[in-house]
Amino acid sequence: DSGVTQTPKHLITATGQRVTLRCSPRSGDLSVYWYQQSLDQGLQFLIQYYNGEERAKGNILERFSAQQFPDLHSELNLSSLELGDSALYFCASSSPLRRDTQYFGPGTRLTVL
Amino acid sequence: AQSVTQLGSHVSVSEGALVLLRCNYSSSVPPYLFWYVQYPNQGLQLLLKYTTGATLVKGINGFEAEFKKSETSFHLTKPSAHMSDAAEYFCAVNRGDHEKLTFGTGTRLTIIP
Repeated sequence: DSGVTQTPKHLITATGQRVTLRCSPRSGDLSVYWYQQSLDQGLQFLIQYYNGEERAKGNILERFSAQQFPDLHSELNLSSLELGDSALYFCASSSPLRRDTQYFGPGTRLTVL
Repeated sequence: AQSVTQLGSHVSVSEGALVLLRCNYSSSVPPYLFWYVQYPNQGLQLLLKYTTGATLVKGINGFEAEFKKSETSFHLTKPSAHMSDAAEYFCAVNRGDHEKLTFGTGTRLTIIP
């Protein structure tokens, strides 16, 4: 158990809908990262927050957004969902003391029908 | 930009045999290198990492990897494969310091009884 929690574990929804994925980082970690794992794209970095501020952006679609709250949990919002958005979404966190290491949550499996 | 290449999307070894999973990196700055393992329907677990210092890195579950700058490689090895090692293995790179990870395409390891 990495200490990073993600909810829900599974999400099944329809095209055009909007969903919110939630992540709680390990205690003391300030940085949160979101990654998408799909069969055709592999593991791709989406976005990073550090202590509430957006720090880096990767291949994140405009239909996707994220934020990190004062209690440091983070949410990834996916809207106008398409079939191709079906994937595993991982959250990871890192500590100010061990900046080089990211610990991953169990992931949320999103299925868009 | 940084990248990693994992040679061999599928590797099969007999139980008790040597495991060798290959990873080559490309980086314009000193890289931080990682191996993560993903068991079926689970998240990513950190096996080991190279940041600075000793080039031979030992990780969990008997795995180790050697950073070879001259060959731009960071291959993962284990002297004797166990059935429980069957999983997907990902090599990743970043520049440290709360940086996003760039992953390879993964190698699925199958252990033959």
